Amino acid sequence: GAVVSQHPSWVICKSGTSVKIECRSLDFQATTMFWYRQFPKQSLMLMATSNEGSKATYEQGVEKDKFLINHASLTLSTLTVTSAHPEDSSFYICSALMTSGGLSQETQYFGPGTRLLVL
Amino acid sequence: GESVGLHLPTLSVQEGDNSIINCAYSNSASDYFIWYKQESGKGPQFIIDIRSNMDKRQGQRVTVLLNKTVKHLSLQIAATQPGDSAVYFCAENISMDTGRRALTFGSGTRLQVQP
Repeated sequence: GAVVSQHPSWVICKSGTSVKIECRSLDFQATTMFWYRQFPKQSLMLMATSNEGSKATYEQGVEKDKFLINHASLTLSTLTVTSAHPEDSSFYICSALMTSGGLSQETQYFGPGTRLLVL
Repeated sequence: GESVGLHLPTLSVQEGDNSIINCAYSNSASDYFIWYKQESGKGPQFIIDIRSNMDKRQGQRVTVLLNKTVKHLSLQIAATQPGDSAVYFCAENISMDTGRRALTFGSGTRLQVQP
């Protein structure tokens, strides 16, 4: 169980275009999902927390108008990179939070990632 | 600020040997820790977790040890196999200023298993 999918797995786009990435929890409901960014040979950096039915919470330094997040249902969150530029090229990973027994028992399950290349 | 870090960036072991990956954390209020395995081009895969009220937890071929006194976490892999080659991250589940909880990842350790 606890499977999270992402689509697409990779995307190449021209500078100035927008790209939408989907994150789905396949076998559980997640009121909270997270979006991370990972550069080569580096750790995961949290970009934002996606909350079902409410606005996302962005980490410091992450432009909310640049990275639009929509968490429309308990199994789907989307990240849209607007007006993408080459410096936005990265590996984007989402996770879905599975909770049981209260806040102290939370586990994030990660999607396979989406590699974005902006030309 | 608070952070989670790793002592060794790369660990090379022989197939069949035991591996030990270490992690230091600085947030004494952290109550939940997770180890993830990430293979090249893939998302992190949950391996094992441990709560702060425990010192040790065992899974299949893996054991996590938590030493709260020195704020140290370790992942032990028994009889390491080539398929264990990956980057391993420890993660600390912390409460942010806003009250929500989020994961903070360490810098990662690359495990290389030599046949």
